[in-house]
Amino acid sequence: GESVGLHLPTLSVQEGDNSIINCAYSNSASDYFIWYKQESGKGPQFIIDIRSNMDKRQGQRVTVLLNKTVKHLSLQIAATQPGDSAVYFCAETTGNQFYFGTGTSLTVIP
Amino acid sequence: NAGVMQNPRHLVRRRGQEARLRCSPMKGHSHVYWYRQLPEEGLKFMVYLQKENIIDESGMPKERFSAEFPKEGPSILRIQQVVRGDSAAYFCASSPGQGSWETQYFGPGTRLLVL
Repeated sequence: GESVGLHLPTLSVQEGDNSIINCAYSNSASDYFIWYKQESGKGPQFIIDIRSNMDKRQGQRVTVLLNKTVKHLSLQIAATQPGDSAVYFCAETTGNQFYFGTGTSLTVIP
Repeated sequence: NAGVMQNPRHLVRRRGQEARLRCSPMKGHSHVYWYRQLPEEGLKFMVYLQKENIIDESGMPKERFSAEFPKEGPSILRIQQVVRGDSAAYFCASSPGQGSWETQYFGPGTRLLVL
């Protein structure tokens, strides 16, 4: 079956620095990807998505990069703030069922 | 515009009891998904439903678990004869159901504790 994994389970960054969270996926047929943010005790919150016909998409302070050749996805957060501290999941799908990675825990150091 | 609502937020059951978890999708959404999350783990897909139909239940355990999304009212995830291993956070998500590649919006989850 599909597997979505993250390279680093934890990441600590200084406030104001940029953060990069990586994700590897195994299903080359996946054509839609989403990054979610989950704060402690809450449900996942949509951050940004990207379709397989794109390799980059930007939002407010966030950028998602997709490299289909190596099946790699990354989330870049600019000027990381304490409120960005959370677990970040990538999710992939070929249709309606999403497959989630284990997540990366981001800690922002003031 | 209220988001996805789940209740109860916390549920404690003793082994052998039944657990009923409810999910009301966002207004205008007709697709509902249930996921289970164990501590320090990612979300595991359980079931995908449309109104009165189960579309994909490939992630549901074969026994004791069932789900429904009636024409009226919330979606229900039912766990019969709960065991300690059922303790987890159960999240519901919804999407509009108008096409492929739809973003799923999540509820706050129900945290089930089986004693």
